[in-house]
Amino acid sequence: RKEVEQDPGPFNVPEGATVAFNCTYSNSASQSFFWYRQDCRKEPKLLMSVYSSGNEDGRFTAQLNRASQYISLLIRDSKLSDSATYLCVVRYSGGGADGLTFGKGTHLIIQP
Amino acid sequence: GAGVSQSPSNKVTEKGKDVELRCDPISGHTALYWYRQSLGQGLEFLIYFQGNSAPDKSGLPSDRFSAERTGGSVSTLTIQRTQQEDSAVYLCASSFDRGLGYTFGSGTRLTVV
Repeated sequence: RKEVEQDPGPFNVPEGATVAFNCTYSNSASQSFFWYRQDCRKEPKLLMSVYSSGNEDGRFTAQLNRASQYISLLIRDSKLSDSATYLCVVRYSGGGADGLTFGKGTHLIIQP
Repeated sequence: GAGVSQSPSNKVTEKGKDVELRCDPISGHTALYWYRQSLGQGLEFLIYFQGNSAPDKSGLPSDRFSAERTGGSVSTLTIQRTQQEDSAVYLCASSFDRGLGYTFGSGTRLTVV
């Protein structure tokens, strides 16, 4: 079974700091990559897609390393509101209709 | 609608009873997924609908679980003879195309007592 692995954390980070976490995936046929954010007792929400060339959205930067099969998320100038669980999501071709595989998430706590 | 709508938001049921969970996807989204998430766990895929194709039921944990999608829109997830281990948040998501990210509903929190 294809797997997506993440460090569950929690990552305790002071407000204003930069934090980064990675996600590794096992299926080299994976095609699309996403980061989702899930707040406590809420549904996951798409944070950003991850492109091969890397992409940035404000304080958030996502990187993809196909050779090593990992995805990273970097958060700069962290805010208290960034506290959440960040889910790494990988879509792979083939293997049935559901190509999306979710990691179990990395729990981030931004401390004042 | 503006988002994916799920009902009820909370459901408490007695062990052995049947329950129905409803999902109304975003208008025009052809792909619809059901997941469940137990406390502190990751998302577990249950079933996937894409247009008029036969659904992918490979994630359903037992034959007590079934789902329908009528008219390519609203979907109902039915759990028969509920067990305590069925307690979880059941999340529905839809997508315009399976190559794109999902939009999730706010989920149904099912508690079997």
